[in-house]
Amino acid sequence: DQQVKQNSPSLSVQEGRISILNCDYTNSMFDYFLWYKKYPAEGPTFLISISSIKDKNEDGRFTVFLNKSAKHLSLHIVPSQPGDSAVYFCAASGSGNTGKLIFGQGTTLQVKP
Amino acid sequence: GAGVSQTPSNKVTEKGKYVELRCDPISGHTALYWYRQSLGQGPEFLIYFQGTGAADDSGLPNDRFFAVRPEGSVSTLKIQRTERGDSAVYLCASSLTVDSVTEAFFGQGTRLTVV
Repeated sequence: DQQVKQNSPSLSVQEGRISILNCDYTNSMFDYFLWYKKYPAEGPTFLISISSIKDKNEDGRFTVFLNKSAKHLSLHIVPSQPGDSAVYFCAASGSGNTGKLIFGQGTTLQVKP
Repeated sequence: GAGVSQTPSNKVTEKGKYVELRCDPISGHTALYWYRQSLGQGPEFLIYFQGTGAADDSGLPNDRFFAVRPEGSVSTLKIQRTERGDSAVYLCASSLTVDSVTEAFFGQGTRLTVV
């Protein structure tokens, strides 16, 4: 059972426009959500996170929105840059086990110059 | 080194052989995690250590997989009687404590190919 889902395997955006990556989850006990970015042949790198008690967190060009009633979160990147092209994973933690992150399948973002 | 280091970066082995994958966490990090990423999937949790002990090994797929961290620093993931389905990128991460798992840093991974 996939507790964290990223239903869009890929997304293509023009440079300067907004990129919106989506993630859905099923477990209402998750208390922290994270986004990771991964380049080929590298490990995932942390991008931004949000606690379940908040609905928005912003860091520069990156904003994460959390809609708990819909069990949905999204990552907005604006303006998108070619260097943002990577695979983006959302992940969730909590549910009584603080040592485990549950990842989605990933979305490949391509930002075209 | 400054980051999490995993060796080897690539490993090709024959079906049925034994392999060991090594992870050097960031100095001072007491929590260490192993994940496996298959093609087209996100990282899948295998096991994590707090210090020397395995606090949660619920993600290990079967008893062919075993991990140790004898001195609370370097960890080794051991896979016996490898199968083609074990082919994946094995990722290691570390964090200051298990309570800071959301601030975990990942290594570059070991790509294991079982032929």
